[in-house]
Amino acid sequence: GQNIDQPTEMTATEGAIVQINCTYQTSGFNGLFWYQQHAGEAPTFLSYNVLDGLEEKGRFSSFLSRSKGYSYLLLKELQMKDSASYLCAVIDSNYQLIWGAGTKLIIKP
Amino acid sequence: IAGITQAPTSQILAAGRRMTLRCTQDMRHNAMYWYRQDLGLGLRLIHYSNTAGTTGKGEVPDGYSVSRANTDDFPLTLASAVPSQTSVYFCASSRTLQETQYFGPGTRLLVL
Repeated sequence: GQNIDQPTEMTATEGAIVQINCTYQTSGFNGLFWYQQHAGEAPTFLSYNVLDGLEEKGRFSSFLSRSKGYSYLLLKELQMKDSASYLCAVIDSNYQLIWGAGTKLIIKP
Repeated sequence: IAGITQAPTSQILAAGRRMTLRCTQDMRHNAMYWYRQDLGLGLRLIHYSNTAGTTGKGEVPDGYSVSRANTDDFPLTLASAVPSQTSVYFCASSRTLQETQYFGPGTRLLVL
């Protein structure tokens, strides 16, 4: 079966750095997405990785290792507004997006 | 309209009733999707459409039907609602199946 694993919940301090991991086992791989979802709202796109390595976008970076079936989202200089769920999703060989259950990130002052 | 819209925002429905959730996008995206999101389970794909006139089944299609008569609209119908269909429903669209999906604001459905 296909599977995406992420921690259920993480806690971090305002101003700090946090890394949210995602491991996947899917039938084929055509890219990996990270989305942010605030409580009661729709998911919004953060990043896309299809090749190995680090993609940096402001305070957020996303890393991919296809050989290890592994990705992480790195959030720097955490702000209270970063409190949200972070969803990892992989496009499989049939071009269907397989979603993880999400990681709820709690930011404390 | 800018982006993707859904209606209604929320609904309470009696079990056994028929209900259509509406979704419209103005981005001329070819692909559209319907997901349900339940606590602890993440997003699960119900149905999708690669292009106008074609639809496909996702992970949890039973009890739901869709149509794609044109590029912009992708309604989801519950023929006879059951309490297990209580959920938050998100519509999404993307230019193609392998590109970034953009989500509507969601419909919160309670089936009693």
